[in-house]
Amino acid sequence: ETGVTQSPTHLIKTRGQQVTLRCSSQSGHNTVSWYQQALGQGPQFIFQYYREEENGRGNFPPRFSGLQFPNYSSELNVNALELDDSALYLCASSLADRVGSPLHFGNGTRLTVT
Amino acid sequence: DAKTTQPNSMESNEEEPVHLPCNHSTISGTDYIHWYRQLPSQGPEYVIHGLTSNVNNRMASLAIAEDRKSSTLILHRATLRDAAVYYCIRGSNYQLIWGAGTKLIIKP
Repeated sequence: ETGVTQSPTHLIKTRGQQVTLRCSSQSGHNTVSWYQQALGQGPQFIFQYYREEENGRGNFPPRFSGLQFPNYSSELNVNALELDDSALYLCASSLADRVGSPLHFGNGTRLTVT
Repeated sequence: DAKTTQPNSMESNEEEPVHLPCNHSTISGTDYIHWYRQLPSQGPEYVIHGLTSNVNNRMASLAIAEDRKSSTLILHRATLRDAAVYYCIRGSNYQLIWGAGTKLIIKP
C-alpha cells in the first residue's frame, strides 16, 4: 500500500509569485484535503476535493485554489504569495463513503515566502 | 468556538499509562471526536475516533463522556516513540477544526 506523497518537500518563493504544490493520494482513496499549518499551531482546513470537484472550503481567499485529477492526485495553487503564506502545507487522503473515515497525511511541503 | 480545549503539555513516565483529556462542550450530535498525533517533521497520524461509545484499537483507547462534552485518549503503556503533539478534534468527515494540541513528553 502506497502512502500519501507530497512534492516538493521544501520551497522558497518571493512575495507576489505563484506556487503549485502536488499530492499523490494513498492507493484506493478518492478524496483529498489540504491543510495549512503555521509554526506551533494545528493544521487549518483549506479545502477538500472529491470526484474532481471542490466539496468543502475553509476560511481561505480565492487565491488558494486546487485541482483533483482522475487518478485522485491533487494540486494546491496559491497566487500572489504573501509573507503570511509561509507554512507547512499538508495533503491528506481518505474514503468519502465512510463516515468518520480517517485522514492519511503526507509529510507536507514547507513553503517559505520572502 | 468550535475548537476543543486541551492542556498545552503533559509529561509521563515511560511504560506507564497516559490519559490525555479533551473538552468539547459545544459538540453537536453528529460530530465525531477524532484524535491525531504529530511527530516532529512529520504529517499528522490518525490515532482513533468515535461518536458515542468508548473505542479501542491497537494504538489507544478513547473514553467518551456520557454527555459527549469531554473525552480522554488513553495510551496504555507509553513509549519514547509516543512523544508527539496530540490533537483532539471534533467535526464531520472533512471539516476538522484543529486546536493547538497537547505536547506529550515521555520521560525515560
